[in-house]
Amino acid sequence: DAGVTQSPTHLIKTRGQQVTLRCSPKSGHDTVSWYQQALGQGPQFIFQYYEEEERQRGNFPDRFSGHQFPNYSSELNVNALLLGDSALYLCASSLRGLILYEQYFGPGTRLTVT
Amino acid sequence: AQSVTQLGSHVSVSEGALVLLRCNYSSSVPPYLFWYVQYPNQGLQLLLKYTSAATLVKGINGFEAEFKKSETSFHLTKPSAHMSDAAEYFCAVGTGTASKLTFGTGTRLQVTL
Repeated sequence: DAGVTQSPTHLIKTRGQQVTLRCSPKSGHDTVSWYQQALGQGPQFIFQYYEEEERQRGNFPDRFSGHQFPNYSSELNVNALLLGDSALYLCASSLRGLILYEQYFGPGTRLTVT
Repeated sequence: AQSVTQLGSHVSVSEGALVLLRCNYSSSVPPYLFWYVQYPNQGLQLLLKYTSAATLVKGINGFEAEFKKSETSFHLTKPSAHMSDAAEYFCAVGTGTASKLTFGTGTRLQVTL
């Protein structure tokens, strides 16, 4: 049973550029959440997708956007990159409707903005 | 609003000693509480979770945590530390219908010989 997968593993971008990160949820899961983990910090919630719609959003600017596809996979897009966007981006999947909010995390994509 | 405070950004214990990682939460509604572990260059792995059933929760790798409502705490313990326990540990809270998790800043556990 494949867990949560993310691609790419590492990414280096320049300020002002745009980036797209990808996530495939654990088999059987239908909800995807994205988190940003800056160096030395805990993960911060960006947003959550279910049924191809953004359901919840954390305190992140509109430069951060996402998408969920019919197969439940998801993308995170960040426009006009800033140095402060350098972080580990974690994708977590869960099964909506199942109590406990148990989220399974992927290995993350490490984004470096120069 | 909900928040988590993890006391001690670094904890060092000897192999075989008791591990105690502290977590206090703030929530206006009954919380769900989680402990995750993160090894270097990896994602987060769920250790255990509290979901309003038993207040003493047992997790993987010999870890357990006790929910104390009066103290708004959910401290993580392990009777005997092993070298393989060295990692970053995160406490997180989720509440109500909001399934997003709010994480603490983490505690780095070092295990020495």
